Amino acid sequence: EPEVTQTPSHQVTQMGQEVILRCVPISNHLYFYWYRQILGQKVEFLVSFYNNEISEKSEIFDDQFSVERPDGSNFTLKIRSTKLEDSAMYFCASRALAAYNSPLHFGNGTRLTVT
Amino acid sequence: AQSVTQPDIHITVSEGASLELRCNYSYGATPYLFWYVQSPGQGLQLLLKYFSGDTLVQGVKGFEAEFKRSQSSFNLRKPSVHWSDAAEYFCAVGVNTGGFKTIFGAGTRLFVKA
Repeated sequence: EPEVTQTPSHQVTQMGQEVILRCVPISNHLYFYWYRQILGQKVEFLVSFYNNEISEKSEIFDDQFSVERPDGSNFTLKIRSTKLEDSAMYFCASRALAAYNSPLHFGNGTRLTVT
Repeated sequence: AQSVTQPDIHITVSEGASLELRCNYSYGATPYLFWYVQSPGQGLQLLLKYFSGDTLVQGVKGFEAEFKRSQSSFNLRKPSVHWSDAAEYFCAVGVNTGGFKTIFGAGTRLFVKA
């Protein structure tokens, strides 16, 4: 069964550094998402991406965050200047249909640790 | 505003016992509801979903959930829990806010004792 893949599985960075988290969504999917989960807390929506542009973003997704689909397969999340509170598990997800009743398919996540 | 509430942070059941995980949602339109499971170090896997029709939906691994509109609930059940069911369970609602996002509850961690 096709799956969403994320790299790296774990990223350690120093405060103020830029990080890029990478995702390869399922190939025929149309909508792409980033979620994050701070340790022990809920899974929070960051951003959705469709037709090569952001369709919605949360209040968490401020100017330090950006997303890009640089080619036909990769979907990246960049954090320009990381803060300690950015430490979390970041999940990429995709869905086949442009419909809110279509389930999300998640990657295994990238654990970001900011020191 | 849309939200999902899972009132139990963690639940412990004995292997072989029945399980019910509670979920309440708040959404003004027809809800599209999901249960996901997360094992340690893994992403979220879909267990089941409700869109319309029969209010009792069957999922994978013997799980089922019942949609009750009057109670705004979508509780997850399993008649007999296995040790491998120990994981975190997330209830979620799909909302149409332009980005077709899914909103998750805080999760319930299930512990299974022998």
